[in-house]
Amino acid sequence: GDSVTQMEGPVTLSEEAFLTINCTYTATGYPSLFWYVQYPGEGLQLLLKATKADDKGSNKGFEATYRKETTSFHLEKGSVQVSDSAVYFCALSPPRGGTASKLTFGTGTRLQVTL
Amino acid sequence: GAVVSQHPSWVICKSGTSVKIECRSLDFQATTMFWYRQFPKQSLMLMATSNEGSKATYEQGVEKDKFLINHASLTLSTLTVTSAHPEDSSFYICSARGTPGNEQFFGPGTRLTVL
Repeated sequence: GDSVTQMEGPVTLSEEAFLTINCTYTATGYPSLFWYVQYPGEGLQLLLKATKADDKGSNKGFEATYRKETTSFHLEKGSVQVSDSAVYFCALSPPRGGTASKLTFGTGTRLQVTL
Repeated sequence: GAVVSQHPSWVICKSGTSVKIECRSLDFQATTMFWYRQFPKQSLMLMATSNEGSKATYEQGVEKDKFLINHASLTLSTLTVTSAHPEDSSFYICSARGTPGNEQFFGPGTRLTVL
């Protein structure tokens, strides 16, 4: 079945550092890929998405590129802020599926940004 | 974005009792709601999908008599954990979708501890 593997956290960075959170997946065909963010006490929020190979999703300075050849969707940000401290989840849905479809999640990676 | 609430945010109960968790869409009508379960350091696992006015569809391995789901209105779904045991202790998260193809919006989750 489908699965998503994320790097284990927590990830601790100083403000303005470069962020990479690795995500790889196993799925048939071309799934849609997502990154969700969960701030303390809040529900998961869609951060960005990509629906086909080589697509780049971006939002709030975060980026991720759909790499079919390496089955990866790594999350990056050039300069993190304290306000980016949260848990980040990588997820996928069936081909041509959006977030309304059944989602398969990774384990989540906690990011802690310090001054 | 749309807001989904859950109540209670945390609950402690004795073994053998039943616990009801509510999921509400506050500013939109949710034709479909999803219930997830999350164990520590593990990913969100979809338990069931419920469409308003019809029976929930449970994922393989989820006991439908144990986890009762009701979606009687377009803004409310409930999950009842019947005869709870310590192994049911977990973080339960709901999400809601407005119409087919729209985004899922997540609630903040409910932490259940069974003593």
